[in-house]
Amino acid sequence: DTGVSQNPRHKITKRGQNVTFRCDPISEHNRLYWYRQTLGQGPEFLTYFQNEAQLEKSRLLSDRFSAERPKGSFSTLEIQRTEQGDSAMYLCASSLAIPGQRTDTQYFGPGTRLTVL
Amino acid sequence: EDQVTQSPEALRLQEGESSSLNCSYTVSGLRGLFWYRQDPGKGPEFLFTLYSAGEEKEKERLKATLTKKESFLHITAPKPEDSATYLCAVQALAGGTSYGKLTFGQGTILTVHP
Repeated sequence: DTGVSQNPRHKITKRGQNVTFRCDPISEHNRLYWYRQTLGQGPEFLTYFQNEAQLEKSRLLSDRFSAERPKGSFSTLEIQRTEQGDSAMYLCASSLAIPGQRTDTQYFGPGTRLTVL
Repeated sequence: EDQVTQSPEALRLQEGESSSLNCSYTVSGLRGLFWYRQDPGKGPEFLFTLYSAGEEKEKERLKATLTKKESFLHITAPKPEDSATYLCAVQALAGGTSYGKLTFGQGTILTVHP
């Protein structure tokens, strides 16, 4: 079991550039979540997928953010025209959602730290 | 809107000095309350899920409890390796079988001195 992996681990970019992050979930997990965490705060929900379907997006997610999970396995999160306020840790989590279960346990990856200069 | 507030923001303990962390929550309907541990520069690590008032879960020196409005994480005889940020999160009941996002508190930074 390799856990959730994220790449790159660190990204430094200039304001206005586009960036893309990748998340590989735990194999056989059908749900994949993206969160953003700034210093001193808890993670903040961005969006999540069940298989390849994007089921919910936070209203905080501006149209500069887009996420995909084309084959229901790995996912990418793209930020266009980055702004300094986008600097944060971007966390990915995966879970196995089974019909009838009370809830799913989300397992987090190590995160991608984005710095926008 | 779901809200989670954790207190204190930071807690310093001596090794062996037991204490508790608090998580107060407001949610339309609780599907589950989660505790995670986060080390600096890493992603959160799952600890416990609690579902209903009165429930308790234990793991080593940690014990989590749940009431209708708050949860406590009790740390018994902590060691320096217990130093971390402890995060509380709620998952709300949603329409049909849809559930998903976690709403997190800001965390409690625990430091245990030898």
